Amino acid sequence: DQQVKQNSPSLSVQEGRISILNCDYTNSMFDYFLWYKKYPAEGPTFLISISSIKDKNEDGRFTVFLNKSAKHLSLHIVPSQPGDSAVYFCAARPNSNYQLIWGAGTKLIIKP
Amino acid sequence: EAQVTQNPRYLITVTGKKLTVTCSQNMNHEYMSWYRQDPGLGLRQIYYSMNVEVTDKGDVPEGYKVSRKEKRNFPLILESPSPNQTSLYFCASSFGTGVSYEQYFGPGTRLTVT
Repeated sequence: DQQVKQNSPSLSVQEGRISILNCDYTNSMFDYFLWYKKYPAEGPTFLISISSIKDKNEDGRFTVFLNKSAKHLSLHIVPSQPGDSAVYFCAARPNSNYQLIWGAGTKLIIKP
Repeated sequence: EAQVTQNPRYLITVTGKKLTVTCSQNMNHEYMSWYRQDPGLGLRQIYYSMNVEVTDKGDVPEGYKVSRKEKRNFPLILESPSPNQTSLYFCASSFGTGVSYEQYFGPGTRLTVT
């Protein structure tokens, strides 16, 4: 039973438009959420995070929104650029331990 | 350059032949971890280590061993590999388990067990 779900295996977006990647979770005890980006043949790299006490965190073109009542978070990329083409993983940390629970990933393709 | 290195990057082996995947970080990180990535399942934690000589099981530890004799190294050992351990493996490290919790990942090791 996956506690962190990314229901879209892939997403295609035109360059310059907004990319919205979604993540749903089932455990209300998660206190921290992170997004990682992964290029082929490389390990994931940290992108942006949000604490459960906030509903928004912004870093340049990247914004993460957290809706705790819906147990949903989303990553917005504006404007989308070709270099954003990658697999994006959502991860969550339970407040009871230090492990991260990961989603299956969404492959984002930015079309020129 | 701050980095996590893994070796080998690719490995094809046969069932039952013991193997070790090495992991090393040069950032003086206390926390290190091993994950496996399988299609449709994301990353699943195998083992983690909070510091030297301190290791603990993750979500999928069966068939794996680890050791943490030095702060920088965290090898993953498969005593008797089986085909269901064919996967993409990542080592990761971080300063600790604090709020920022950013983990740095190695480039991955693709293992095939026949």
